[in-house]
Amino acid sequence: NAGVTQTPKFRVLKTGQSMTLLCAQDMNHEYMYWYRQDPGMGLRLIHYSVGEGTTAKGEVPDGYNVSRLKKQNFLLGLESAAPSQTSVYFCASSYSWTNGELFFGEGSRLTVL
Amino acid sequence: GQQVMQIPQYQHVQEGEDFTTYCNSSTTLSNIQWYKQRPGGHPVFLIQLVKSGEVKKQKRLTFQFGEAKKNSSLHITATQTTDVGTYFCAGRDSNYQLIWGAGTKLIIKP
Repeated sequence: NAGVTQTPKFRVLKTGQSMTLLCAQDMNHEYMYWYRQDPGMGLRLIHYSVGEGTTAKGEVPDGYNVSRLKKQNFLLGLESAAPSQTSVYFCASSYSWTNGELFFGEGSRLTVL
Repeated sequence: GQQVMQIPQYQHVQEGEDFTTYCNSSTTLSNIQWYKQRPGGHPVFLIQLVKSGEVKKQKRLTFQFGEAKKNSSLHITATQTTDVGTYFCAGRDSNYQLIWGAGTKLIIKP
């Protein structure tokens, strides 16, 4: 039982390049989330999904797109990377919207030069 | 937007001393969760508090939820090196959106 798996774990991009982060969970959770974590700022929600085929904007969605074509996968895309998107990205999933703990992946460290 | 303020940002303690972090919300929370993130790691769920005035204990950790459900605290008694990390609170607002505190980093002085 792997839980939440993120790939890749590390990536260096040049400004303007695009990339996709993949999140996969094997717990059959309905709810999935993408967060970014910057020093001293805690976790900020980028986008989330309340089920297969649905996505919604979080607190800091600009510059990112997401897709949830399959229940177990939640993809985060950067169409044209900017240095301000240098961060650690965490994917999480939960079984409940109102009451559930979040299970996090190990994180993906992205550097944009 | 709604915020959850968490203080202090850092706390340096000698091993064996106590540690406390506090979270305050401007509005009533449906529930509040606490997470621990070890250096270089990912957040790991510790506990959820739901009821007004609730107190829960996990060994040396004591969690409290205020009577008005607007504040919460985590207290660690007699810190150990394994307690090092950043502790986050995350409160659910009236729409059950999770609002995260900025975290308190626990540093054990050598």
